[in-house]
Amino acid sequence: EPEVTQTPSHQVTQMGQEVILRCVPISNHLYFYWYRQILGQKVEFLVSFYNNEISEKSEIFDDQFSVERPDGSNFTLKIRSTKLEDSAMYFCASSYLIRVSYNEQFFGPGTRLTVL
Amino acid sequence: AQTVTQSQPEMSVQEAETVTLSCTYDTSENNYYLFWYKQPPSRQMILVIRQEAYKQQNATENRFSVNFQKAAKSFSLKISDSQLGDTAMYFCAFTRTYIIQGAQKLVFGQGTRLTINP
Repeated sequence: EPEVTQTPSHQVTQMGQEVILRCVPISNHLYFYWYRQILGQKVEFLVSFYNNEISEKSEIFDDQFSVERPDGSNFTLKIRSTKLEDSAMYFCASSYLIRVSYNEQFFGPGTRLTVL
Repeated sequence: AQTVTQSQPEMSVQEAETVTLSCTYDTSENNYYLFWYKQPPSRQMILVIRQEAYKQQNATENRFSVNFQKAAKSFSLKISDSQLGDTAMYFCAFTRTYIIQGAQKLVFGQGTRLTINP
């Protein structure tokens, strides 16, 4: 059964460094998402992406964040200059269209980002 | 803005018992979807059950059922005949209905850690 995959599973970086988190969505999906979960807190929406552009982004998704679908299969989240508060689990999701009003999201296993 | 609240951080029951996880939400939307997602340890979140707000009938998927009370903005998950494999974090989530097709963001609750004991 197709799955969303994410690499790496755990990333440790120094504050101020750039990180790229990678996701391979399910191949026929059209919509892509990033969420994050700070330890002990709720899962929060970061950004959605469709037709090679951002559909919606949250207040968390500031100029330090960017997303890209560089080659038609990968979907990446870049954090340009990491801060301590960026430490979290980052989840990628993708979805296909069931009907106009709803599409089901499938999640990857997450990348745990630790900023020291 | 929509909010989702799960007031039970942890629950624990014996195998084969029935357990109910609570969720309340707040929205001004009339048309929306509610979900329960399961996240086993070190594995990805998977969709357990979905409820469409315009449907009065409560959704059921095998041992999983919901009690959807639209007026009260309550959406609880009942797991019958619980199994060891049900041990996981459970998230309640909300998304509004989109008039035109588009990416839909999910709004999650804090999660309930459910442990099924042998």
